[in-house]
Amino acid sequence: QKEVEQNSGPLSVPEGAIASLNCTYSDRVSQSFFWYRQYSGKSPELIMSIYSNGDKEDGRFTAQLNKASQYVSLLIRDSQPSDSATYLCAVNGRDDKIIFGKGTRLHILP
Amino acid sequence: EPEVTQTPSHQVTQMGQEVILRCVPISNHLYFYWYRQILGQKVEFLVSFYNNEISEKSEIFDDQFSVERPDGSNFTLKIRSTKLEDSAMYFCASSEPGWQPQHFGDGTRLSIL
Repeated sequence: QKEVEQNSGPLSVPEGAIASLNCTYSDRVSQSFFWYRQYSGKSPELIMSIYSNGDKEDGRFTAQLNKASQYVSLLIRDSQPSDSATYLCAVNGRDDKIIFGKGTRLHILP
Repeated sequence: EPEVTQTPSHQVTQMGQEVILRCVPISNHLYFYWYRQILGQKVEFLVSFYNNEISEKSEIFDDQFSVERPDGSNFTLKIRSTKLEDSAMYFCASSEPGWQPQHFGDGTRLSIL
């Protein structure tokens, strides 16, 4: 059974600090990795995609991938109250489906 | 920016009735998906569709479910005989080929009474 694991949280981070979200996956042949943000009652919104080992930066967001450790993370710099949401890690393997983690609830403290 | 659109936003149906959820994927995308999210739970994959056929389906996608692309733009999910446990948010998504990110619609909230 392919799994994507995330700490459910909530993760509380002071405004302006760095939020660090982590995810592990079980299928070693997974090829692509995504972070989605989901506000309550809304649909998942793509934040970042990453395909190769290392870091990928986009504005305040940095995704980090380590395929050897089967680990992917998301850093949010200068956290804002609007970043408060559930962050979903999603992994696409050899087939045509994405497996989502249960998500980590992030709460930015004003 | 192009987006995936879903209708209706909310569907209320009696148990045992058939429902059809509709989606218009992004026009140049070739892969189409349906996901389900029961309140408070994770997003669950139901089915992927490519080249006019199902390419992958989960164990949730049993015989009561079917998908169709009736024309060049719409992509539908039919639930034949709804059960109470089918109450959930249903998301349609589409993507370009090659393990590209999936873009989600706003979802249809299905309530079975």
